[in-house]
Amino acid sequence: KAGVTQTPRYLIKTRGQQVTLSCSPISGHRSVSWYQQTPGQGLQFLFEYFSETQRNKGNFPGRFSGRQFSNSRSEMNVSTLELGDSALYLCASSEMGGSSKNIQYFGAGTRLSVL
Amino acid sequence: AQTVTQSQPEMSVQEAETVTLSCTYDTSENNYYLFWYKQPPSRQMILVIRQEAYKQQNATENRFSVNFQKAAKSFSLKISDSQLGDTAMYFCAFTRFNQAGTALIFGKGTTLSVSS
Repeated sequence: KAGVTQTPRYLIKTRGQQVTLSCSPISGHRSVSWYQQTPGQGLQFLFEYFSETQRNKGNFPGRFSGRQFSNSRSEMNVSTLELGDSALYLCASSEMGGSSKNIQYFGAGTRLSVL
Repeated sequence: AQTVTQSQPEMSVQEAETVTLSCTYDTSENNYYLFWYKQPPSRQMILVIRQEAYKQQNATENRFSVNFQKAAKSFSLKISDSQLGDTAMYFCAFTRFNQAGTALIFGKGTTLSVSS
């Protein structure tokens, strides 16, 4: 089975631009979560999608948004980029939503650099 | 709010030695799950081991085992017979047993270096 796939692997943007990151979960997984990883703040939860609905959201500004498609693929969007948005963005999928016993499997991440 | 604390930013060990990484957490929940994830330089986050809070028995996975002390809210990871491939950043993580979602709360991580 293919793992979680994130594209692109690297992105360079300038302040004020917007960016869209993509995540394809493991086949059969319906829950997709996004995390931001920075040296200063560590790993922080952004949001979780299950069956095309955002079920859980972390403490991030409204510039961060996401969506999930009927095939469970997910995208996250960051508008009006700021220097502080430079980070590794990780996507994770799990087999079922609604129960924390389900293991989250991570993709390799997208490294976003904002200049 | 739940928090996870890893007090050892960096650790180093020789091959074949045993090392223990510490993790404490704070929660008022009774049912939850704890995880150790490994992130090698390739940055792919890999699950090492999982512990269910309602199980008293400590989880083990080959050379990896945990010491789960629920009353003390402590969840340490022991790596036996360390190998060069164990070099990575290790994250302790917590998630609630909650129908509303499965957000993982991570500690800041411990960088483990294994040398020959």
